[in-house]
Amino acid sequence: QLQLQESGPGLVKPSETLSLTCTVSGGSISSSTYFWGWIRLPPGKGLEWIGSIFYSGTTYNNPSLKSRVTMSVDTSKNQFSLKLSSVTAADTAMYYCASGSGFRGWAFDIWGQGTMATVSS
Amino acid sequence: EIVLTQSPGTLSLSPGERATLSCRASQSVSSSFLTWYQQKPGQAPRLLIYGASSRATGIPDRFSGSGSGTDFTLTISRLEPEDFAVYYCQQFGSSLYTFGQGTKLEI
Repeated sequence: QLQLQESGPGLVKPSETLSLTCTVSGGSISSSTYFWGWIRLPPGKGLEWIGSIFYSGTTYNNPSLKSRVTMSVDTSKNQFSLKLSSVTAADTAMYYCASGSGFRGWAFDIWGQGTMATVSS
Repeated sequence: EIVLTQSPGTLSLSPGERATLSCRASQSVSSSFLTWYQQKPGQAPRLLIYGASSRATGIPDRFSGSGSGTDFTLTISRLEPEDFAVYYCQQFGSSLYTFGQGTKLEI
């Protein structure tokens, strides 16, 4: 059974870069069966998709985040990561990593427990 | 970008009642890529329905999804106490995902 676990700094200063990692267990991040993604939940708001990365290395980002998002995969550690640059208070949120497969309509069916990231000086 | 609008924003019902949640898209969405999630406070979202009407593994049959084009519905036939949560619809198209703003189902 695939399991995901986010890790990150918790507190980031405005204008800096938020870096998060998702560790995958129970399956290979190199598998063509899965795709990977990041979703966030700001306090008092709804879910927002940040971006997705596929086994081919192709990435797709939410246009609203413009060029602030970078995602990558580290096959040696079975991890994928998110970097969000130039953060502001609006980026304060619970960040989730998730995975899915094309067999289920490209839905995210496995989620990490989430990690809170707060942007504050 | 496809915008998903969920209604109502909040739905107040009692256990045993039937809940009908709506998700309307700003343009046509492929039914294959319309998804529903449930989220409870302090928990990660949980996949309920994918492909507009297919229940995910382990989801009780009181949950059902329907719809096509721009109008989709999540129905909970008989509410159980554990069903009170926030529900989100999501679509995937042109390699991008969008979520609806959510419907809070409360007692």
